[in-house]
Amino acid sequence: GESVGLHLPTLSVQEGDNSIINCAYSNSASDYFIWYKQESGKGPQFIIDIRSNMDKRQGQRVTVLLNKTVKHLSLQIAATQPGDSAVYFCAEKLTGGSYIPTFGRGTSLIVHP
Amino acid sequence: DTEVTQTPKHLVMGMTNKKSLKCEQHMGHRAMYWYKQKAKKPPELMFVYSYEKLSINESVPSRFSPECPNSSLLNLHLHALQPEDSALYLCASSQPGANYGYTFGSGTRLTVV
Repeated sequence: GESVGLHLPTLSVQEGDNSIINCAYSNSASDYFIWYKQESGKGPQFIIDIRSNMDKRQGQRVTVLLNKTVKHLSLQIAATQPGDSAVYFCAEKLTGGSYIPTFGRGTSLIVHP
Repeated sequence: DTEVTQTPKHLVMGMTNKKSLKCEQHMGHRAMYWYKQKAKKPPELMFVYSYEKLSINESVPSRFSPECPNSSLLNLHLHALQPEDSALYLCASSQPGANYGYTFGSGTRLTVV
């Protein structure tokens, strides 16, 4: 299933399915993007990042896609597991601006066994 | 050591109390941050210390007073808080200006009664 991110803050999937979490960013001057995972009772954890000169980057079971034309970022999680249940935040950094990331609205991912 | 440690994990305080939140890291990071996070919202930046000097104060009320005694420690002193200040307070650290290695602690869950 897909989440439209800002308009659907909760995504429910079955264990083993692929998950897609979306994020729309507003600043075309952003040149670096990060996805964070925040489990209940914990701080955000870095998952994967991507620079604006790339359109895809893969990690272990996760892929980030960047579409600069429509200012859209997505996080794909393959074979989603119950341990993936968390809130996922995208964050962006501005070109030449502060090195501190600006967090977007989160999406809650719920994985059903 | 690749962790940011925050104490206490939970804190309940009255509106007339004075308390402090503590954050410690031994990764050699020279930038440290305080964030406030309300339920189901992204973290909001409060303060940034770079090389033990306050570099960013995001218009935070003076009832929150940060302190960076050395490069490994960051405190947040609390006085005369309001119930709406109840939130998860997160500490993070990184190397100043670096895109990578931005590490969060697990936070202090603060309740003001």
